[in-house]
Amino acid sequence: LAKTTQPISMDSYEGQEVNITCSHNNIATNDYITWYQQFPSQGPRFIIQGYKTKVTNEVASLFIPADRKSSTLSLPRVSLSDTAVYYCLVGDTGRRALTFGSGTRLQVQP
Amino acid sequence: DAMVIQNPRYQVTQFGKPVTLSCSQTLNHNVMYWYQQKSSQAPKLLFHYYDKDFNNEADTPDNFQSRRPNTSFCFLDIRSPGLGDAAMYLCATSAGYQETQYFGPGTRLLVL
Repeated sequence: LAKTTQPISMDSYEGQEVNITCSHNNIATNDYITWYQQFPSQGPRFIIQGYKTKVTNEVASLFIPADRKSSTLSLPRVSLSDTAVYYCLVGDTGRRALTFGSGTRLQVQP
Repeated sequence: DAMVIQNPRYQVTQFGKPVTLSCSQTLNHNVMYWYQQKSSQAPKLLFHYYDKDFNNEADTPDNFQSRRPNTSFCFLDIRSPGLGDAAMYLCATSAGYQETQYFGPGTRLLVL
C-alpha cells in the first residue's frame, strides 16, 4: 500500500505561489499520482494527475522527480478562493482503488 | 449539469433505524465508490464496484452494505446506524482504475 505523507497545514497570502509536497516512498511502478481539492461541505475535485517529470494544466503544475518518491503540487498566484484541503493520492495496484491521505489544509490570507 | 447526483443531501435517522443513501451518475462510468468522511478527516473508502465486481475494504463494518442494480445507480445501506456513523457520505465515479474520480455533493447523515 503506497502511503502518502503531506504537511497538515500551510498558510499563504494572495498572489503568492504555493508548493505542497507529498511523500510516497512505496509508490509502485504503475501508480499515478493524483491531487484533489476539497472545499468544506463539498466532494473533492480533481486538480491534476501525473506519472513522472512535470505536468501543467490551467490551474496547477505537478512536479515529480525521477525516483517518484515524492511530488509537489504548485499553485501559482493563489487567491482567497484557493483556501481548501488538498489531497495527494497514489494508485494502489493491489486494491484497484485510491487511498486519501490526511491532506494539507491551505489557508490563503489577504 | 450534474454528473454525480446524491440523494438526499441531508438525512436524519434514529439510532438503529436502517437508512439508504442513493447515488446516480450520468457519465456511464464503470467504477462507483462510496466514501465516509467525518469532520476534519480525509474521505475513507468503504467499498467500490468495478462494473458488477464488488470490492469491500477490509475495515468496512458489516453494518454497511451496498447495491449496484445497474451502471447508473449505486446504494449505500446502513443496517443499524450508530452515533459513530454520523458523517458525510460521498459517492464518486470513474471510467476506470486511476482515472479521474468525479464526486457527488455528498449526503450528510445525522443519527439521533
